[in-house]
Amino acid sequence: DAGITQSPRHKVTETGTPVTLRCHQTENHRYMYWYRQDPGHGLRLIHYSYGVKDTDKGEVSDGYSVSRSKTEDFLLTLESATSSQTSVYFCAIRDRGPQETQYFGPGTRLLVL
Amino acid sequence: GESVGLHLPTLSVQEGDNSIINCAYSNSASDYFIWYKQESGKGPQFIIDIRSNMDKRQGQRVTVLLNKTVKHLSLQIAATQPGDSAVYFCAEITGNQFYFGTGTSLTVIP
Repeated sequence: DAGITQSPRHKVTETGTPVTLRCHQTENHRYMYWYRQDPGHGLRLIHYSYGVKDTDKGEVSDGYSVSRSKTEDFLLTLESATSSQTSVYFCAIRDRGPQETQYFGPGTRLLVL
Repeated sequence: GESVGLHLPTLSVQEGDNSIINCAYSNSASDYFIWYKQESGKGPQFIIDIRSNMDKRQGQRVTVLLNKTVKHLSLQIAATQPGDSAVYFCAEITGNQFYFGTGTSLTVIP
């Protein structure tokens, strides 16, 4: 699991409230990613980070912001949650070692009522 | 954006048979391709990768084939076991971004 944890693992919230999801890694990887996974869609990139304070948008970034103030933590914030943001959110790190891959966290299930 | 698709949404195989899962991709400039396995309620798990300058790569019970002419990727699982039941999806890597297919659900029949 490359030392990736996500918190919370489950959350129910109401429309219009802010929500912050946390991704924590223990192996000092430079690249971190946030995805959402919905039925009928592949994993879709929300934002990614290529270093402390360095982030970039993915294909579905509207309504989301991220922050990375230290290497091990990558935060995803829904400024004002909407029902369309009900999803499973996965954090991942990129490992550019012998194998080019991403390792994923266990996911956060978010329900916006 | 990128388009990564899978030919079949579901696949059922008998235990012990070989499984073949296919994937089409759209960007001929992609650097790497990866196959992932995702079990219910869990995050995707890396299976095997292949660089764009390769045609074939073998792992433990798995083989990935890359046909760049037709932009096609396949995952072959030998002697499929019940523990192989999961959703499998491919991903292509272009620069810093990964693009994922929607997945094929593999069911292994004992």
